[in-house]
Amino acid sequence: QSILSQPPSASGTPGQRVTISCSGSSSNIGSNFVYWYQQLPGAAPKLLIFKNNQRPSGIPDRFSGSKSGTSASLAISGLRSDDGAEYYCASWDDSLSGVVFGGGTKLTVV
Amino acid sequence: QLQLQESGPGVVKPSETLSLICTVSGGSMSGDSYYWGWIRQPPGKGPEWIGTIYSSGDTYYNPSLNSRVTISVDAPKKYLSLRLTSVTAADTSVYYCARGFNHGPVYFDLWGQGTQVAVSS
Repeated sequence: QSILSQPPSASGTPGQRVTISCSGSSSNIGSNFVYWYQQLPGAAPKLLIFKNNQRPSGIPDRFSGSKSGTSASLAISGLRSDDGAEYYCASWDDSLSGVVFGGGTKLTVV
Repeated sequence: QLQLQESGPGVVKPSETLSLICTVSGGSMSGDSYYWGWIRQPPGKGPEWIGTIYSSGDTYYNPSLNSRVTISVDAPKKYLSLRLTSVTAADTSVYYCARGFNHGPVYFDLWGQGTQVAVSS
């Protein structure tokens, strides 16, 4: 059972907008930044969003993040077939004094 | 550009110690803005943070592994190491090393390809 909760799956069609949620608590998302990672099959995770809604250089603006209270969301607009991947949220947890990850959401582009 | 490469034994026996090395090439490990971490991913599960070492030498470990894990860095020789003692089957994972940048403790912007470790007798 992961500290951060994500739906196990999500799906969308090309061109659509999809959102993936991440639920935590006051000790993690509620008081710290949220980060999002994308993991393609057989590859290492790739940073998509940092500090709730910032994109690293090279990440297209189709990807956006938001946070409200103890929950966060990742939105992907203009869905493409190569967006099919596993998506993980992550944050710092003050109670654990460590980094915590969500269990992941598998996005299928149908 | 900077690249990270993990190496180590593919198989470790239960109760033994796992030692991994992350070699850095194409650049320097120096710089106060960077930190280095180890993250693992059990089969079919999400990533699990193992620990982080900062340029100051300060280390932070996952509380669930704290008593068994040691992370160190040799910046001049450009490698990061992980030592995990008393391994069990639950430690079977893909192990990644990663570089972090000064945008918070979860900003891992560069990862190695990962190395598979199985704990088996």
